[in-house]
Amino acid sequence: AQTVTQSQPEMSVQEAETVTLSCTYDTSENNYYLFWYKQPPSRQMILVIRQEAYKQQNATENRFSVNFQKAAKSFSLKISDSQLGDTAMYFCAFNNFGNEKLTFGTGTRLTIIP
Amino acid sequence: DAGVTQSPTHLIKTRGQQVTLRCSPKSGHDTVSWYQQALGQGPQFIFQYYEEEERQRGNFPDRFSGHQFPNYSSELNVNALLLGDSALYLCASSLVWQGDGYTFGSGTRLTVV
Repeated sequence: AQTVTQSQPEMSVQEAETVTLSCTYDTSENNYYLFWYKQPPSRQMILVIRQEAYKQQNATENRFSVNFQKAAKSFSLKISDSQLGDTAMYFCAFNNFGNEKLTFGTGTRLTIIP
Repeated sequence: DAGVTQSPTHLIKTRGQQVTLRCSPKSGHDTVSWYQQALGQGPQFIFQYYEEEERQRGNFPDRFSGHQFPNYSSELNVNALLLGDSALYLCASSLVWQGDGYTFGSGTRLTVV
């Protein structure tokens, strides 16, 4: 079974600090995509960052970066210089290449404190 | 450029009733997926439609059915509603196997009483 585990139900950090959200996953496939999605109170899932499993280089998008450890099946998200607008639920997800289904974790509720 | 549009935003139904939720994909997208997100949980894949056919299905009973129209818009139908069907229903669109993620709508909040 393909699963995604987010072990931190809630986190909080002071504005401008750095925070890391953890994610582990399980798949028997070798080619897949990993994603972090943000879900603010507006409920819309917003793609934060994605990583192709065949790429060794960690993905970076402005203040957001990942630490992808394929052997350990770990995919953590680092948010630098956190801002109040980063307050949201964050979901880790993946899908196997050629499989359209996204498998999500249970989410981490992140609160940025002014 | 319009994103994914879902209607209605909120809905209250009684047990045993039937409901239809609607989704218009992002312009240029041809594939629509539906997810159920229970309170405090991550979204669960229901099914995906491409070229007006169900392409893949998750572990949901036959009470959940869908349709895709020639303009790529889609409907999710749920029959014989149960209290446990109360959830946020998210629609996501993409180009067929795009691989770089999906564009999600803001969802329909369904409450079954």
